[in-house]
Amino acid sequence: DGGITQSPKYLFRKEGQNVTLSCEQNLNHDAMYWYRQDPGQGLRLIYYSQIVNDFQKGDIAEGYSVSREKKESFPLTVTSAQKNPTAFYLCASRPAGVSISYNEQFFGPGTRLTVL
Amino acid sequence: EDQVTQSPEALRLQEGESSSLNCSYTVSGLRGLFWYRQDPGKGPEFLFTLYSAGEEKEKERLKATLTKKESFLHITAPKPEDSATYLCAVHFTGNQFYFGTGTSLTVIP
Repeated sequence: DGGITQSPKYLFRKEGQNVTLSCEQNLNHDAMYWYRQDPGQGLRLIYYSQIVNDFQKGDIAEGYSVSREKKESFPLTVTSAQKNPTAFYLCASRPAGVSISYNEQFFGPGTRLTVL
Repeated sequence: EDQVTQSPEALRLQEGESSSLNCSYTVSGLRGLFWYRQDPGKGPEFLFTLYSAGEEKEKERLKATLTKKESFLHITAPKPEDSATYLCAVHFTGNQFYFGTGTSLTVIP
């Protein structure tokens, strides 16, 4: 089955720890995204990547880092510099063709991160 | 200023009571408007894409429409299983998508 997987489903972090959230897709999509979702707020963009070995900061990149070494994978590291990391994290992907029919983003199931 | 606004924040309907959800946006240069359904604790599920004013898409009890500055998601004769949060997103020029805060729909049997 084609799709986007995120792991783990639940993650607990202690103060001062870095943690890495996994995102894998087998849809052959070029573009991948990381969003943060907090209660009462819309999804906020952390980072996105249009091609391998290239990525751009979104609106709330401080305290986060990413890598894109493979087309299928876009892991997100939440560093100790992120002061309020407790949130629901969503990974998304989409084809990056110029055709207007390739605009939709498809989402993974999410990872809920809690700071202890 | 928010670029995407959804209303109402929450909506309670009796089963079979039709209604509409609204998504309005303020920036020009729309490349696409998207509707998603999100169940608690899960990732958003893609529903529709609309590209130009006057366009309509339907799926079961849901119908999405688009005007120049807003979109409506019409729900006809809803059932309890339609209860979810419905998210609207817009894609302008560039590579970013902007999301509204969603409408939480509850359908009461």
